[in-house]
This record gives sequence, structure tokens and C-alpha cells, in this order.
Amino acid sequence: AQTVTQSQPEMSVQEAETVTLSCTYDTSESDYYLFWYKQPPSRQMILVIRQEAYKQQNATENRFSVNFQKAAKSFSLKISDSQLGDAAMYFCAYRLMYNNNDMRFGAGTRLTVKP
Amino acid sequence: NAGVTQTPKFQVLKTGQSMTLQCAQDMNHEYMSWYRQDPGMGLRLIHYSVGAGITDQGEVPNGYNVSRSTTEDFPLRLLSAAPSQTSVYFCASSPDRGRTYEQYFGPGTRLTVT
Repeated sequence: AQTVTQSQPEMSVQEAETVTLSCTYDTSESDYYLFWYKQPPSRQMILVIRQEAYKQQNATENRFSVNFQKAAKSFSLKISDSQLGDAAMYFCAYRLMYNNNDMRFGAGTRLTVKP
Repeated sequence: NAGVTQTPKFQVLKTGQSMTLQCAQDMNHEYMSWYRQDPGMGLRLIHYSVGAGITDQGEVPNGYNVSRSTTEDFPLRLLSAAPSQTSVYFCASSPDRGRTYEQYFGPGTRLTVT
């Protein structure tokens, strides 16, 4: 079974600084998606960024970017110019490309942003 | 569009009671699913549906039933609540089985079983 590991239960960053959240995953498949979701105190799950495994180029969404290392099965999230509103739980997730039925989530990283 | 809605937001049950968590989406999405979120763990899939009349089990289905009589609604039933079912429950929907990337999540239901 595919597993997703987030080894940092908590991280903190100074406002305007950069922080990187780590994620590793285990799979024997070659076609899959990886995601980072943000969960603020409101509990809403918000998609931050996604990466298709067949793409070599790292995904970028404004201040959010990923470092996708397929061979190493690593998928880290970099948040640049951190803002107070970035404070939340962040979940890394994996699913097969053609199967919505089995999305696997990591345990999450709680990010604190210090003013 | 209201997106994915869930009711209630909070619920307290006694052990052995039954109840239904409601989930509805107004986006005509084919795929719907239920997850539970426990402290220190990511979301885990309980049940899912790929269309009206079709449901299947996820990773942690025991103690839960689902049905999908319409495209819009996907209720989750707890048959006999147990303290181990204390959790936050999320419903999600997606336009299709897998070609699109994203699942849209509801706001969650916090359930406490005493």
C-alpha cells in the first residue's frame, strides 16, 4: 500500500521568511499525483499545489513551490515570503493518476508564522 | 454554488446510538467520498461512490454504511456509535473518477462519542 510520511509534526517561520515542509512517499507505481493541502483552523481543506508524476518541472503557485524528486520519492513544499495567513496544518497527499478511490494523506505539519 | 455542504457541524453521541452525517454537493459531481481525520493522522478514506447507486469501501469502512440514491447526496450512517469513532469527518466530491486532479472538501463534522 502507498504511504505518505511527513516527518515534521510542527514547523515555525518568521513572517516574510521562507520555510520548507518535507514529504516522502512510498509507491511502486509510476503514474500518480501529489498534492499539498492547507487546513486552517476553520478545518476547510484547501488545495495549495499539485504535481503530476510524469512532469519533470516542479509545480509553482505564486509563493508556493515544490521540489519533486521522483527517484527519491520526495515532495517538499516551499513557502516564500511567509504571511500570517499561511499558518495552518499542511497535508501532503498522493493518489494514483486514474484512481480517485484511494487518496493517501500524511499526518500533517503544523506551521506557525511569527510576526 | 454552495459547493460541498455537511450537516451537522458538531455532534455528541452516546455509545450505541446511531446517526447519519449528511453530505450534499451542487456541482453535479460524479465521485463522492467520506474521510475521517484523527489527531496525528492524515485523512483516511471510509467509503466512496463513483455515481448514483454505486458505493464501495475505503481503508476504514467498519462501523459505517453509505448509500447514494442521488448524484447530490451521500449520507454516512453510524450504526452503533463507539468511542473509537470520535473524529472529524470530511465529505469530498470530484467531477469524475480520476481524470481530474482535485477533490472538493466540505467543512467537516466534529463527532464525539461518549
